[in-house]
Amino acid sequence: SQTIHQWPATLVQPVGSPLSLECTVEGTSNPNLYWYRQAAGRGLQLLFYSVGIGQISSEVPQNLSASRPQDRQFILSSKKLLLSDSGFYLCAWRRRDNSPLHFGNGTRLTVT
Amino acid sequence: GNSVTQMEGPVTLSEEAFLTINCTYTATGYPSLFWYVQYPGEGLQLLLKATKADDKGSNKGFEATYRKETTSFHLEKGSVQVSDSAVYFCALVKDSSYKLIFGSGTRLLVRP
Repeated sequence: SQTIHQWPATLVQPVGSPLSLECTVEGTSNPNLYWYRQAAGRGLQLLFYSVGIGQISSEVPQNLSASRPQDRQFILSSKKLLLSDSGFYLCAWRRRDNSPLHFGNGTRLTVT
Repeated sequence: GNSVTQMEGPVTLSEEAFLTINCTYTATGYPSLFWYVQYPGEGLQLLLKATKADDKGSNKGFEATYRKETTSFHLEKGSVQVSDSAVYFCALVKDSSYKLIFGSGTRLLVRP
């Protein structure tokens, strides 16, 4: 069966520090991968999605970037965090059809 | 463009009450429809889905019927429990699309 791992679960970082969140998927190959952000009390905002190694699409202009160095690895990064980057970050994957998204448990990021 | 509209919350019910959370969509063609649930502090879990008109998705006592004529996918449960307290998201995806479109989420609070 397929599983998705996301870490860390929680993170507190000062403004201006770098960020790296990692997500890996097991039990499938060539998945579509996604990063979503959920700000406090708000819905889901799609940040990035990837259909293959090195292929990243950005949905909104922002202080973040994403990379896919391996087929089942998706990384969310920032060189300098802003206060507004605080939120709940969710990684997700799905097959290349109209199947559902499968989410990781999320990372709660607090920028202080 | 494609979009999903959910009723605003919070929805507050007493235990064993009947639940309806409204969801309507706008999309060309025939999207697949999903309900996701997010328990406090966790990622999203797929609750149920329907892939074509008149399909009924069901899971854990929850049901939703794909109504093409009204472009709706309302979530229902006959008798809610305190453990159903969570945020519920309606979503759609179309064939050949890489992205799921989410509604803004509806918070459900069930009181004992």
